[in-house]
Order: sequence, then C-alpha cells, then structure tokens
Amino acid sequence: GENVEQHPSTLSVQEGDSAVIKCTYSDSASNYFPWYKQELGKGPQLIIDIRSNVGEKKDQRIAVTLNKTAKHFSLHITETQPEDSAVYFCAASISNYGQNFVFGPGTRLSVLP
Amino acid sequence: NAGVTQTPKFQVLKTGQSMTLQCAQDMNHEYMSWYRQDPGMGLRLIHYSVGAGITDQGEVPNGYNVSRSTTEDFPLRLLSAAPSQTSVYFCASTMYPGANVLTFGAGSRLTVL
Repeated sequence: GENVEQHPSTLSVQEGDSAVIKCTYSDSASNYFPWYKQELGKGPQLIIDIRSNVGEKKDQRIAVTLNKTAKHFSLHITETQPEDSAVYFCAASISNYGQNFVFGPGTRLSVLP
Repeated sequence: NAGVTQTPKFQVLKTGQSMTLQCAQDMNHEYMSWYRQDPGMGLRLIHYSVGAGITDQGEVPNGYNVSRSTTEDFPLRLLSAAPSQTSVYFCASTMYPGANVLTFGAGSRLTVL
C-alpha cells in the first residue's frame, strides 16, 4: 500500500522568511496530493492541492511542487507570518477511489516574530 | 451550516468499557470517514462509508465498528476500549468519493485508562 514520508518533523523560521516542507510517496498510482493545515485544537483544513498532471500550483503565499518521477512533492510558504504557525500534513490518494488518503506524519511549523 | 460535528470533545474511559463517538454532517455528503491521530504518525484511516448502508475498513479497523443508517450520521463504536485506543479521533466527509476535499470535524480526544 501507499506510504507517505514527511520532513522535517519540526521547523522554526523567522517571520518573513520562507518555509519548505517535503513529502515522498511510494505508490506510483497516486494522483492527488493535498496539503492540510491543523491549528491547535481544530481539525485539519485543506490549504492547497495538486494533481499528478500538474508540476506546480500557487495560491498567494503558498505553492506546491510535484516531481512524479522522483515521487516527491513539496509545500512552499513565502513571507511567513505568525498565523502560519500550525501542523502541516501532506497526503496522497488515488483519486476517484473511495477518497481514502494516506497522510504523512506532520510538520510542526513555528514562525518566530 | 454547522459542517462536521463531533461529540463528545473529550472522553475518559476505563479499559473494557464501550462507547460511541458521534459524527454528523449537514452538507449532504455521501462520503464519510474516521481517522485517528497519534503523535508522529499522522492521520490513519479507521473506517469509511461511500453512502448510507455502505461501510468498509481502512488501515486500522481493529477494535472499532461503524454503521451508516443515514446520510448525515456516521458513529464510531468502541466495543471494549483498550489503552492503545487512546488517541484523537477525527471524522471527515466529502461530497462524493473522488470529490477530494475532505471537511474535518474538530476532533474527539479519547483517553483509555
């Protein structure tokens, strides 16, 4: 089955700097890769996603890149702000197949003022 | 709209006790699922349902039962709680299998002594 690894497990950056979180997956059939943000005491919330037919996607300060050959994808956050502090999860799934995701272990991002 | 509502938010059980975690959504979503979240392990799928009357096992189903008698509700039952089931449980739903964007509840923290 699918296995998703995520690095680093914790990340501290200064406000205004960039943050990068990397994930690798094992199943070449996976074709949908979302990123979820979990704030303290809340459920995860989708922030951006990418499909396997796209190499990069941007949404304001957030971008995701995908390398299908290497089976890895990354989340990039530019101009970080204190409200970006949270736990971030990457995930992989085979779209249109029951929507069952395999999540990475998470990265705790701290943005220091 | 309330979205995905989970109750209770916190619960303490003794080993061997039974209980039900409730999940309700008011978005007319066909697909519902239960995940458990443990430190360093991300979110792992317990059970899922693609519609009323249809349920299936996820990655870690042992010790848990589910049923889906209505579109709105998807309760998770622990028949004989064990300390290994101490975790934070999240219910999530999406419009239909393949719709991709999961909407999560706020979580239920369960401690088994």
